[in-house]
Amino acid sequence: AQSVTQLDSQVPVFEEAPVELRCNYSSSVSVYLFWYVQYPNQGLQLLLKYLSGSTLVESINGFEAEFNKSQTSFHLRKPSVHISDTAEYFCAVSTDSSYKLIFGSGTRLLVRP
Amino acid sequence: SAVISQKPSRDICQRGTSLTIQCQVDSQVTMMFWYRQQPGQSLTLIATANQGSEATYESGFVIDKFPISRPNLTFSTLTVSNMSPEDSSIYLCSVPQGTEAFFGQGTRLTVV
Repeated sequence: AQSVTQLDSQVPVFEEAPVELRCNYSSSVSVYLFWYVQYPNQGLQLLLKYLSGSTLVESINGFEAEFNKSQTSFHLRKPSVHISDTAEYFCAVSTDSSYKLIFGSGTRLLVRP
Repeated sequence: SAVISQKPSRDICQRGTSLTIQCQVDSQVTMMFWYRQQPGQSLTLIATANQGSEATYESGFVIDKFPISRPNLTFSTLTVSNMSPEDSSIYLCSVPQGTEAFFGQGTRLTVV
């Protein structure tokens, strides 16, 4: 069975500081990896995804994540965060093209001025 | 990208009653998924809604509690039956399209 672990339930950072949100997964088969973001009182939005190819994937708003197969990780990073990045971030995996997702417990990113 | 409409967006219900949540997609999709997000927790898959056949439920979820209908390729309903306060959650439908999964805005259910 697959599982996703997000070790940090909350990450407080100051504006313009770098941030890393950690995600580790467990699976005996190949996986597709996703980061979703949930802004306050809004629905889930896809932030970025790894399906195959380059292990470094980027989003349009400056986030990036790197798939590390040997460490079974897919950590999310941003070199300089904004107040507007305050949200809940969920790491998720799927083992097939159905995109039936298994989610981690989420990390609340709190950006302070 | 798929546009998903869920109704109602929120509701407050009495324990022992049932609520049916609707999910409408703007395009035909083979699979639709129903998730639950309990307060302060992550999303958990309830079931896969299959068109023309019974839904496939994940461990810990049963049809009697969460009956699902899928009458066509653009619509599905999830019913939360005989509700208790523990059913207070956000319920979301999701559809895969292309290389990603899209989510509805969710239905925030409070059981009192």
